[in-house]
Amino acid sequence: EVQLVQSGAELKKPGESLRISCTGSGNSFSKYWIAWVRQMPGKGLEWMGVIYPGDSDTKYSPAFQGHVTISADKSTSTAYLQWSSLKASDTAMYYCARVRPGFHYYYGMDVWGQGTTVTVSS
Amino acid sequence: DIQMTQSPSSLSASVGDRVTITCRTSQSISSYLNWYQQTPGKAPKLLIYEASTLQTGVPSRFSGSGSGTDFTLTISNLQPEDFATYYCQQSYSTPPAFGQGTKVEIK
Repeated sequence: EVQLVQSGAELKKPGESLRISCTGSGNSFSKYWIAWVRQMPGKGLEWMGVIYPGDSDTKYSPAFQGHVTISADKSTSTAYLQWSSLKASDTAMYYCARVRPGFHYYYGMDVWGQGTTVTVSS
Repeated sequence: DIQMTQSPSSLSASVGDRVTITCRTSQSISSYLNWYQQTPGKAPKLLIYEASTLQTGVPSRFSGSGSGTDFTLTISNLQPEDFATYYCQQSYSTPPAFGQGTKVEIK
């Protein structure tokens, strides 16, 4: 059974850079789309973008394009979400999730990581 | 982009009740609609995909229906572990937007 394990909570200052990770178990990580989803404090879910680790094909929601970078390393079965200059408004929980296998990259997500809390405060 | 509208935003119910949550989309999405459950402090969990197909392991008291622009999630015989927030999500086009959520609380 596929599992996604995310890196730990982060406390950063505005303007700092950050990369969080999502590591998959099993040897088929590169064959699934991996999405990132944001949840701001007390708010709903927002789809940020997705990557296919097999060839690093990446798609972004227009709302997040240019604000974050999604990448992956298939040799370590790890996907990443990174910021070059954090803002207080980036404070949120971030989830990675596997898109249901065999379908479009915008399909439902059936396996989720535990989430990474990012807090940006001066 | 497709807009999602869930109703109600919250509801109170008792164990054993039947609960219905509605999701409406701004344009037809055929049956490309998913439902998720999120309990406090936990990651979302996929309950239903393609409007009415139960994800493996999800209890049969959960059911989904609808097509086009109007969808429903029904929980029959509400259990204590069902008190959570429920989200719909369209999978018809990118970006795959979520509804704003419906919080099911204990009466």
